[in-house]
Amino acid sequence: DAKTTQPPSMDCAEGRAANLPCNHSTISGNEYVYWYRQIHSQGPQYIIHGLKNNETNEMASLIITEDRKSSTLILPHATLRDTAVYYCIVRVAADGLTFGKGTHLIIQP
Amino acid sequence: DAGVIQSPRHEVTEMGQEVTLRCKPISGHNSLFWYRQTMMRGLELLIYFNNNVPIDDSGMPEDRFSAKMPNASFSTLKIQPSEPRDSAVYFCASSPLQGQGPMSSPLHFGNGTRLTVT
Repeated sequence: DAKTTQPPSMDCAEGRAANLPCNHSTISGNEYVYWYRQIHSQGPQYIIHGLKNNETNEMASLIITEDRKSSTLILPHATLRDTAVYYCIVRVAADGLTFGKGTHLIIQP
Repeated sequence: DAGVIQSPRHEVTEMGQEVTLRCKPISGHNSLFWYRQTMMRGLELLIYFNNNVPIDDSGMPEDRFSAKMPNASFSTLKIQPSEPRDSAVYFCASSPLQGQGPMSSPLHFGNGTRLTVT
């Protein structure tokens, strides 16, 4: 699987949009971009994934650049409960997920 | 939907003892994954199954670790004998069958078993 690069930590004010960047410059054509998050003491939680097009669901939006070398996860209205470690993963469909260190997002009141 | 169910939630055992961790995947999911999480190494994939058959066990640390999936609704991860360095949180995840068609299905994780080996 291609490797990803994420900032180790970010802060965001409650109620604002949280924009989490991810660099995956060596991504292959058949690799998907996945985002998970892990709240303390819980298992990783699936957020969203995409291949080429931007995606949106009830939790977040995923913006993938045209060259697919980077992406941004957007939490439109961050709440305190969104404080977690966010993992960006690129993955071929048939494989398990390989987690990096992620971004520790802290939502400030 | 009950989600992925793991038991026990916490396990404390002495070095040398056998430990068995259990996982019930989401009904209808055909792929099952075992992960281990430590502060030093983060989340590591140990092994995964498709249709109860082990596909990739390259992440299993050594022969003391073994995993089985006797049927579609149950899997175990066994450590025998256990050692203090096995202390970690062990997660089980399941998903619809991987590798079929162009779509990629997300993994759904349980809340883990926290293992402490003294």
